[in-house]
Amino acid sequence: QSVLTQPPSASGTPGQRVTISCSGSRSNIGSNSVSWYQHLPGAAPKLLIHTNNQRPSGVPDRFTGSKSGTAGSLAISGLQSVDEANYYCASWDDSLGGLVFGGGTKLTVL
Amino acid sequence: EVQLVESGGDLVQPGRSLRLSCAASGFKFDDFAMHWVRQAPGKGLEWVSGINWNSGRIGYADFVKGRFTISRDNAKNSLYLQMNNLRSDDTAFYFCASLWAGALYYWGQGTLVTVSP
Repeated sequence: QSVLTQPPSASGTPGQRVTISCSGSRSNIGSNSVSWYQHLPGAAPKLLIHTNNQRPSGVPDRFTGSKSGTAGSLAISGLQSVDEANYYCASWDDSLGGLVFGGGTKLTVL
Repeated sequence: EVQLVESGGDLVQPGRSLRLSCAASGFKFDDFAMHWVRQAPGKGLEWVSGINWNSGRIGYADFVKGRFTISRDNAKNSLYLQMNNLRSDDTAFYFCASLWAGALYYWGQGTLVTVSP
């Protein structure tokens, strides 16, 4: 059972916009920023979003992050087949004293 | 080019020990906090431990407290994870990652630890 809650799966067709939610609590997302990661099996996870809505250099602007209260979300617009991957949200948890992840969302591009 | 390369993963019996290493290059290692994250087979990412730039602040997930020890050697640009009293549920890929802007920015490819009789 992950501290942050994500839907286990999401899907969309090429060109569509999909949104992945991440629900937390006051001790994590409510008090700290949210980050998002893309992970393909056998590869290193990749940081997509930090500080709720900031993209590192090289991450396409099709990826957008937001945060409201104790929840964050990741939106992917102009969906492409290369976006098919697992997506994880994360935040620091003041009560647990460490980083907590969501359970991950498997994105399928139909 | 930034590189993080983990090593030390192996097949070990329950109760035994293992030491993982993470060699960093391409960035100023001693400017960054470093972390270990794992992924068990069929499961999601799970934070294991973190250490700040000068080893002055260290944190562990509850499930490894008292069994795992994180350390770093800035002179060698290296991060370590000493894992003792390993259990079958410690079986996972272990990734090292550098912390930047509150997020895990650079990641290694991971090293596989398998705990089995």
